[in-house]
Amino acid sequence: QVTLKESGPALVKPTQTLTLTCTFSGFSLGTERMRVSWIRQPPGKALEWLARIDWDNDKFYSPSLKTRLTISKDTSKNLVVLTMTNMDPVDTATYYCTRMGHGFNFFRDWGQGTLVTVSS
Amino acid sequence: EIVLTQSPGTLSLSPGERATLSCRASQRVYDSYLAWYQQKPGQAPRLLIYGASSRATGIPDRFSGSGSGTDFTLTISRLEPEDFAMYYCQQYGSSPETFGLGTKVEIK
Repeated sequence: QVTLKESGPALVKPTQTLTLTCTFSGFSLGTERMRVSWIRQPPGKALEWLARIDWDNDKFYSPSLKTRLTISKDTSKNLVVLTMTNMDPVDTATYYCTRMGHGFNFFRDWGQGTLVTVSS
Repeated sequence: EIVLTQSPGTLSLSPGERATLSCRASQRVYDSYLAWYQQKPGQAPRLLIYGASSRATGIPDRFSGSGSGTDFTLTISRLEPEDFAMYYCQQYGSSPETFGLGTKVEIK
């Protein structure tokens, strides 16, 4: 059974750096073609893909956010970390960690999400 | 990037009725790499359909997807009470992966 769980601060101040951790089980990011992405959803709004990391450590970022994002993994610990710099109130959202289709970029399994509020 | 336009914004139907949701892409979606998700309030989205027409594991067969090129459809043959929710389409044929703004299926 695949599970993913996001963790991180519920509240960050403007200009701060957000660090989110995704801890997962039921699969390994060391397996060929395995991929994990982060997606966010502002309250009442649609979903937005942020970043992806592949089994071979290839990394991909949303063009509109790539200067602010860094994604990394620790395969031995089954975790993926996303950092987002220079946080702004518009970044207030629920952040989801997802396992992607095997070699395909749809989002097969989702974590419960973690709400991050950006406010002074 | 590919923009996905979902229509209608809201669909008001009664249990037992048929729901037809549309997703139109601004460019051809490569190889029909289109997925549909269901999201209920306070929950994470759930994958329903991938590859335009393949049901994900555990999804009832009242959910079906169709389409190719730029026009795609999600059909719910007979609405069950648990089907009233938000539905999003997503394309993954071109980077970056993008989502539509969603269709809300509400009880009439």
